[in-house]
Amino acid sequence: DAGVIQSPRHEVTEMGQEVTLRCKPISGHDYLFWYRQTMMRGLELLIYFNNNVPIDDSGMPEDRFSAKMPNASFSTLKIQPSEPRDSAVYFCASSLSTSRNYEQYFGPGTRLTVT
Amino acid sequence: GNSVTQMEGPVTLSEEAFLTINCTYTATGYPSLFWYVQYPGEGLQLLLKATKADDKGSNKGFEATYRKETTSFHLEKGSVQVSDSAVYFCALSPPGRAAGNKLTFGGGTRVLVKP
Repeated sequence: DAGVIQSPRHEVTEMGQEVTLRCKPISGHDYLFWYRQTMMRGLELLIYFNNNVPIDDSGMPEDRFSAKMPNASFSTLKIQPSEPRDSAVYFCASSLSTSRNYEQYFGPGTRLTVT
Repeated sequence: GNSVTQMEGPVTLSEEAFLTINCTYTATGYPSLFWYVQYPGEGLQLLLKATKADDKGSNKGFEATYRKETTSFHLEKGSVQVSDSAVYFCALSPPGRAAGNKLTFGGGTRVLVKP
């Protein structure tokens, strides 16, 4: 299996621009998670989906952030407009509800820099 | 709510030294407990897990025992290598399926092993 795939791996953009991060979960997994990692705040869960439906978006920092999962094999996290404080590494992870060990499989992350 | 507290780093060790990273948790019932490892430039990977009290998880020379009485899940390795330099995250998953596969992570502990 290819694992969780994220794109782009690196993104540099100017303040005010729209940014879209993409994730392809492991085939067959029914949970998808978006995390943000910064030095100051550590690893934060932003939102997660079950069977393409958002279950908990309480970690989404503000209305500038939105996430969608139009089908089981694709999700996006969008920031519009972007701000310098959004600079972080964004991880996508997926898991299988019928798995007994609840393991989450992480992608390699997207490093976002907003100037 | 659920929370995980782990010792702050960085932890700097010499090769072949003994490593301990403390982790304590707050949760109702019997959560599942995990250690994830993040190598430089990569996403998190599951290192080991324990799903019930007194279980011992082990992998790659690392061990951790689920201690319900002290609500702890300390990570240990008897002889570290330079390749063990990474950030280590303790995490829990609440009991039951109602919460889904959502994980609560600790703040991470950076470990640096010097030759």
